[in-house]
Amino acid sequence: QQQVKQSPQSLIVQKGGISIINCAYENTAFDYFPWYQQFPGKGPALLIAIRPDVSEKKEGRFTISFNKSAKQFSLHIMDSQPGDSATYFCAASKTGSARQLTFGSGTQLTVLP
Amino acid sequence: DSGVTQTPKHLITATGQRVTLRCSPRSGDLSVYWYQQSLDQGLQFLIQYYNGEERAKGNILERFSAQQFPDLHSELNLSSLELGDSALYFCASSVAGGANTGELFFGEGSRLTVL
Repeated sequence: QQQVKQSPQSLIVQKGGISIINCAYENTAFDYFPWYQQFPGKGPALLIAIRPDVSEKKEGRFTISFNKSAKQFSLHIMDSQPGDSATYFCAASKTGSARQLTFGSGTQLTVLP
Repeated sequence: DSGVTQTPKHLITATGQRVTLRCSPRSGDLSVYWYQQSLDQGLQFLIQYYNGEERAKGNILERFSAQQFPDLHSELNLSSLELGDSALYFCASSVAGGANTGELFFGEGSRLTVL
């Protein structure tokens, strides 16, 4: 059972554009939602994370929007740059097992110069 | 550099064989996690150790086992290998104690190819 569904599988954006990646979860016990960024040949690295007590969190050009009632959250990358080209994974976990992350399937983002 | 070290980076072996993947967590991290990344299954949680003891199990096959040693490094043992075991195996570690931020620090992975 896939508990975190991620879309799209791939995304191509022009430099300066907005990249949007969406995730939906099923388990209402999840209470921590991070996004990880992975470059080729590297391991995933934490980009930004949110807890369900807020609807939005912004760090620089990266914003997470969270909709608890819809059980959805999304990553917005503003002013996308070629250096943002990577695979992005959403994930979720629950209190008591917060580091046992359930990952989405990943989105391969390509930002064209 | 995440501070998590994994060896070997690449490994090619034959079906039926056994391999051992090694992980050294970040200095001070007591928890080690193993994840499998494949094209069709994505990132799958395998197992977690905390200070030498098994803490949680995920989708880990019975042919696979792991342990964490007193110096906190961990090994993932894969036996009776099958073609479908070909994947990237990641080790991650997390901050010991303190606030539960949920952040995992991943190594660069060990790519296993089973021929």
